[in-house]
Amino acid sequence: GQNIDQPTEMTATEGAIVQINCTYQTSGFNGLFWYQQHAGEAPTFLSYNVLDGLEEKGRFSSFLSRSKGYSYLLLKELQMKDSASYLCAVGDSNYQLIWGAGTKLIIKP
Amino acid sequence: ETGVTQTPRHLVMGMTNKKSLKCEQHLGHNAMYWYKQSAKKPLELMFVYNFKEQTENNSVPSRFSPECPNSSHLFLHLHTLQPEDSALYLCASSQEKRDLPYEQYFGPGTRLTVT
Repeated sequence: GQNIDQPTEMTATEGAIVQINCTYQTSGFNGLFWYQQHAGEAPTFLSYNVLDGLEEKGRFSSFLSRSKGYSYLLLKELQMKDSASYLCAVGDSNYQLIWGAGTKLIIKP
Repeated sequence: ETGVTQTPRHLVMGMTNKKSLKCEQHLGHNAMYWYKQSAKKPLELMFVYNFKEQTENNSVPSRFSPECPNSSHLFLHLHTLQPEDSALYLCASSQEKRDLPYEQYFGPGTRLTVT
């Protein structure tokens, strides 16, 4: 079957760094996406990885290892507004997105 | 209006009611999706329309009926729902490209409560 695993909840301190992990087992692989979803709002696109390595975009970076079926989202210089759920999704062999349940990130002052 | 809009934002309905959810995308995309989001569960893909043709129906109960009259509008018709159908229903759109995965743009969702 197809499966995306990520931690249910994480807590971090304002100004710190946090890493949210995602492991996947899917039928085929056509890229990995990270989305951010604030409570009561729509998910919004953060990053996309299709090749191994690190993609950096401001305070956010995303890493992919296809051989390990593993990705992480790294958030630096955390701000209170970063409190949200972070969703990992993988494009399968049919180019449909398979979603994880999301990681709720709580930022404390 | 910009992006993807959904109406209504909140809906409470009885099990014998018939209602419809509406989605409109203003991005010129060629694919639209309906997702169900329940608490602490992954997004569940319900239906996919590419170029107005339904290409995906993930074993969704017949009490959910999609309609895509054109590439900008998508409806989800609801009838005789069950309490377990209470969830956030998200609409998304994307621009499909040959052999490339595609970023999806989401609407704000309709919070549905079935009583």
